[in-house]
Amino acid sequence: AQSVSQHNHHVILSEAASLELGCNYSYGGTVNLFWYVQYPGQHLQLLLKYFSGDPLVKGIKGFEAEFIKSKFSFNLRKPSVQWSDTAEYFCAVSQSYNTDKLIFGTGTRLQVFP
Amino acid sequence: EAQVTQNPRYLITVTGKKLTVTCSQNMNHEYMSWYRQDPGLGLRQIYYSMNVEVTDKGDVPEGYKVSRKEKRNFPLILESPSPNQTSLYFCASSPSLGEINEQFFGPGTRLTVL
Repeated sequence: AQSVSQHNHHVILSEAASLELGCNYSYGGTVNLFWYVQYPGQHLQLLLKYFSGDPLVKGIKGFEAEFIKSKFSFNLRKPSVQWSDTAEYFCAVSQSYNTDKLIFGTGTRLQVFP
Repeated sequence: EAQVTQNPRYLITVTGKKLTVTCSQNMNHEYMSWYRQDPGLGLRQIYYSMNVEVTDKGDVPEGYKVSRKEKRNFPLILESPSPNQTSLYFCASSPSLGEINEQFFGPGTRLTVL
């Protein structure tokens, strides 16, 4: 069965530190990849998505992610985090033939301290 | 404003008392879905609907029912709630199947079953 792993459950950083959150999926076929963010008390919002083309995807708020097919990974990065990035981050995957069936990872809670 | 709305946002109830959480979208989306979010487990899909009168089970459907009589509405029904259904529930929608689309999420409903 398809699954998504986010190995970092809780990350604590100071402002201006660099961020990388890991995401690995288990599926051999063509996939679509997403990162969603959930700010405290709010609903999920899309940060960025990858469907095809350039494996380096740029999203909102300075986030980017790189799809490495050989590693089944789609890690999220930001060169310099801000206090306002404190949130929970979810990686999600769908199969190309079933684009609406999203499988979510368990999430990574990011805390950024001033 | 394009949005997914859920009601109620917060609900405390007792075991066995039937309840319905409503979900409505104003984007003319064909696909709608319900998720529950639990700490350490991420989001898990309960039920989804590909169009009016078409619904199917997700990963954790036990104890839930849904209906899709109109395109815009997708209520979640708990016929006999139990404490293990205490959770944060999100409704989501996306445009037509076969296209690669992000899902738009509602604000969430926090349910406590005593």
